[in-house]
Amino acid sequence: ETGVTQTPRHLVMGMTNKKSLKCEQHLGHNAMYWYKQSAKKPLELMFVYNFKEQTENNSVPSRFSPECPNSSHLFLHLHTLQPEDSALYLCASSHFLTGGTHNEQFFGPGTRLTVL
Amino acid sequence: GQQLNQSPQSMFIQEGEDVSMNCTSSSIFNTWLWYKQDPGEGPVLLIALYKAGELTSNGRLTAQFGITRKDSFLNISASIPSDVGIYFCAGQPRGSEKLVFGKGTKLTVNP
Repeated sequence: ETGVTQTPRHLVMGMTNKKSLKCEQHLGHNAMYWYKQSAKKPLELMFVYNFKEQTENNSVPSRFSPECPNSSHLFLHLHTLQPEDSALYLCASSHFLTGGTHNEQFFGPGTRLTVL
Repeated sequence: GQQLNQSPQSMFIQEGEDVSMNCTSSSIFNTWLWYKQDPGEGPVLLIALYKAGELTSNGRLTAQFGITRKDSFLNISASIPSDVGIYFCAGQPRGSEKLVFGKGTKLTVNP
């Protein structure tokens, strides 16, 4: 499945580094999401973009900064992260969200992030 | 916030056996989704359910949208080794555009 791609697949960074995660969707969707997946926890929604507009920031620390230049691309800029931020970061996309829309989300393969 | 209770947490079965897992909530949901996640990969959508009572199949997988709209189950028949992975339920609460995810059921199939 290559509908949603993410790069890099693996990233190791120090706490003082700045890095970016990239997501691209080829499904013609207009909504994009960032999730954090940690061991033994449900998926945690971080950010939602609907037609390039950020509609959700789920109390995410400012060391995570999303960017959505168009409906097909989504970035997550990282700076001064903490070791507890180590996790699998998943990008997903779906059709434009409106009231009553069934929200079928399609996920990318994720970026495995390790913060030293 | 809304939560989904997914059970069991893990299952160890023999190849050829049938498997059943479920998700329950105290809230009403408009959509139920079932995903499978392989190690090192993202979740892959298996089945989507939109109406109470709906029963949908995808090969050896069958999922149902509970009549009360507060639960859903997934059955896998005649399991094979490649069924190994973590299965997640996700629900879209009534009046919300977001998804709520269960914690997953880890399935191990012994050949």
